[in-house]
Amino acid sequence: AQSVTQLDSHVSVSEGTPVLLRCNYSSSYSPSLFWYVQHPNKGLQLLLKYTSAATLVKGINGFEAEFKKSETSFHLTKPSAHMSDAAEYFCVRLSGTYKYIFGTGTRLKVLA
Amino acid sequence: EPEVTQTPSHQVTQMGQEVILRCVPISNHLYFYWYRQILGQKVEFLVSFYNNEISEKSEIFDDQFSVERPDGSNFTLKIRSTKLEDSAMYFCASSEPFDNEQFFGPGTRLTVL
Repeated sequence: AQSVTQLDSHVSVSEGTPVLLRCNYSSSYSPSLFWYVQHPNKGLQLLLKYTSAATLVKGINGFEAEFKKSETSFHLTKPSAHMSDAAEYFCVRLSGTYKYIFGTGTRLKVLA
Repeated sequence: EPEVTQTPSHQVTQMGQEVILRCVPISNHLYFYWYRQILGQKVEFLVSFYNNEISEKSEIFDDQFSVERPDGSNFTLKIRSTKLEDSAMYFCASSEPFDNEQFFGPGTRLTVL
């Protein structure tokens, strides 16, 4: 079955240090992949998406992700965490034409 | 910036009652979706809707659920007879034709007592 796995349910980083949120997907082909962020009491906001163009995808707020087919990974990174980055992050894949399949989410905590 | 809105933000109902969750998608979008997230679990796809009919639905979306676009702007999810296990956050989303990016609303938290 198609799936995405987020390897960490919680990640804590200090402000100003790099962020790495890990995501692996299962598939025999290259799916469309997304990272969404959810701040408290807000909707899910798209950070970035991969749709089989460039393997390094740049998103909003300094985030980027690299699609690695050999590792079936799509990890999200940011060089320097900011307090406002504290939120829940979801790795998502497109299944078929319409359906999103979500990972379990990673809650990012940023320490002052 | 256009956004998807959902009402109410929180709905409390008694088991067996009918509830209608409302969503206003982005105005030029033609594809509409409902997802739900039970507390502590993954966000799960329920249904997609296009051209006034269901495009795809999950096994969760049984006969107790229905969707409608009653007036060209609202998109509703009806649960006919709520169960305790229907308690969840329900997210509405919409997308443009030929674009796989979905725009999500803030969600409605449904509590069934």
